[in-house]
Amino acid sequence: KNEVEQSPQNLTAQEGEFITINCSYSVGISALHWLQQHPGGGIVSLFMLSSGKKKHGRLIATINIQEKHSSLHITASHPRDSAVYICAVRPNTGNQFYFGTGTSLTVIP
Amino acid sequence: EPEVTQTPSHQVTQMGQEVILRCVPISNHLYFYWYRQILGQKVEFLVSFYNNEISEKSEIFDDQFSVERPDGSNFTLKIRSTKLEDSAMYFCASSDWGISYNEQFFGPGTRLTVL
Repeated sequence: KNEVEQSPQNLTAQEGEFITINCSYSVGISALHWLQQHPGGGIVSLFMLSSGKKKHGRLIATINIQEKHSSLHITASHPRDSAVYICAVRPNTGNQFYFGTGTSLTVIP
Repeated sequence: EPEVTQTPSHQVTQMGQEVILRCVPISNHLYFYWYRQILGQKVEFLVSFYNNEISEKSEIFDDQFSVERPDGSNFTLKIRSTKLEDSAMYFCASSDWGISYNEQFFGPGTRLTVL
């Protein structure tokens, strides 16, 4: 069974704090997506990873394939970062992505 | 920047009615997907579509559901006889081929409410 676990479920941070959101999964994967979902419901792709590390602005995503773990970091957090962050993995076999339940982030000014 | 679009943004229907949700994927993409998210729950895969046929579907995608690419641009999800539990946000996504295959681009979603 493909399990995708995220932690924490909810996170409240002060503006400027460094934030880490974790994702663990149970099967071998070909790709991992970090996605952002705003209160209106729309989903935006932040990163697609198959190894190593990627950086885009204040966002950094890392993945450790051996440990089946990925992290999303936000540096110098801002209230506009408030959203639900979702991890999704594509197993080595098949086309579909399996999604975590998301981490709800609130950044307080 | 190219984007996936979906219509309508919100659809309200009576139980037992048929609904068609529409998506226009990014124009040069070859792989298309439908997902759903019941309120308060995680996103779930419904179906993937490539080369004018279903390439994979989940157990949720039963005989009440069908997908179609009626022309070169639209990708539709049909629910034949809606049930209350079909109320959800439905997301369409598309991806390119080759090394870009795994990066999916999502539409803004259609919120389906079944009364």
